[in-house]
Amino acid sequence: EPEVTQTPSHQVTQMGQEVILRCVPISNHLYFYWYRQILGQKVEFLVSFYNNEISEKSEIFDDQFSVERPDGSNFTLKIRSTKLEDSAMYFCASSETPRGDRGHFGNGTRLTVT
Amino acid sequence: QKEVEQNSGPLSVPEGAIASLNCTYSDRGSQSFFWYRQYSGKSPELIMSIYSNGDKEDGRFTAQLNKASQYVSLLIRDSQPSDSATYLCAVIFLRTGGGNKLTFGTGTQLKVEL
Repeated sequence: EPEVTQTPSHQVTQMGQEVILRCVPISNHLYFYWYRQILGQKVEFLVSFYNNEISEKSEIFDDQFSVERPDGSNFTLKIRSTKLEDSAMYFCASSETPRGDRGHFGNGTRLTVT
Repeated sequence: QKEVEQNSGPLSVPEGAIASLNCTYSDRGSQSFFWYRQYSGKSPELIMSIYSNGDKEDGRFTAQLNKASQYVSLLIRDSQPSDSATYLCAVIFLRTGGGNKLTFGTGTQLKVEL
């Protein structure tokens, strides 16, 4: 079964450093998303991306965050200057339709900011 | 603010019993409804999606939707110890112009006891 692939699985960085989290969505999916989950809390939406542009972003997704689809397969989340509170699991997801049909999550990247 | 509410549990059921998980949502415009299973430290895994009122069955799982009551539930028949996980309810409020975010509840922890 096709799957969403995320790298790295675990990233440790120092406060103030830039990090890039990478994702390869399922190949025929058109809608891409980033979510995060702080330990013990619920999954929160960060941003959705369609047709090479952001379609919606949450209040969490401030100027420190950016997304890019640099080629036909990768989808990246960049955090420019990490804060301690950015420590979380970051999940990439993709779906075939805007309704979320056959939506799949990647295995996640655990980001630890020290 | 669109909210999704779940009882955090834990819900304990004996092996072989039916587990009943419930979810309410605040936005009457919500149009797509999903149940995800999440094992500790892992990513959400899609179990069921439901879009119209009534029941939808898939193996041991049955999702039930009542839009008038803004209520969606998941029944797990013949519960197994491997079903022990956190079950996340998620809804989508469809909008035009791109992907539609999932709004998650906090999840219900299910424990299936031998």
